[in-house]
Amino acid sequence: DVKVTQSSRYLVKRTGEKVFLECVQDMDHENMFWYRQDPGLGLRLIYFSYDVKMKEKGDIPEGYSVSREKKERFSLILESASTNQTSMYLCASSELAGLSGANVLTFGAGSRLTVL
Amino acid sequence: GENVEQHPSTLSVQEGDSAVIKCTYSDSASNYFPWYKQELGKRPQLIIDIRSNVGEKKDQRIAVTLNKTAKHFSLHITETQPEDSAVYFCAARANRLAFGKGNQVVVIP
Repeated sequence: DVKVTQSSRYLVKRTGEKVFLECVQDMDHENMFWYRQDPGLGLRLIYFSYDVKMKEKGDIPEGYSVSREKKERFSLILESASTNQTSMYLCASSELAGLSGANVLTFGAGSRLTVL
Repeated sequence: GENVEQHPSTLSVQEGDSAVIKCTYSDSASNYFPWYKQELGKRPQLIIDIRSNVGEKKDQRIAVTLNKTAKHFSLHITETQPEDSAVYFCAARANRLAFGKGNQVVVIP
């Protein structure tokens, strides 16, 4: 019954490495999101996309990029990982195009990234 | 952009008692207010939401109230049970969804 799948649950990378976090949804949702979750800071939006090839910066895009080549897949890329990017990364999707109306987010299980 | 604040950050209640979590928001254009529950080690899941044209919404033991004038909304959980122990996130959306930092609710058996 898994609808949003994040390919890696746990990753350990070294400073400076390039990191790919993959997310796939099977609900044919237009919108996809990448959040970062840190204790005491809640859920912070990194990037989102409301269509294939489209991407928009969220609140904390610095140090990240994204790719959405297919509707079902949204990838988060850390070009050069740093220790302050150690965090839990949550992917989510929602069905409404754009950000108007109620958009119920379905989250993935999360990818916990540790950068050494 | 929208700024959402939640308080208290941690709430402990005796099983069977009620729990109330309050959130305030800054953007008067916000029109949608969901609440997400995240149990330990699990993903956040929507439990209830309310739109700005409604003042209150109830679903079994949970309810959400909205005061647009004061720009705050609250989650009410009645007859709390151990499975209500979780982190609860409120959110508000004007042009995009902004989450609060979360409340840890602990239900003491």
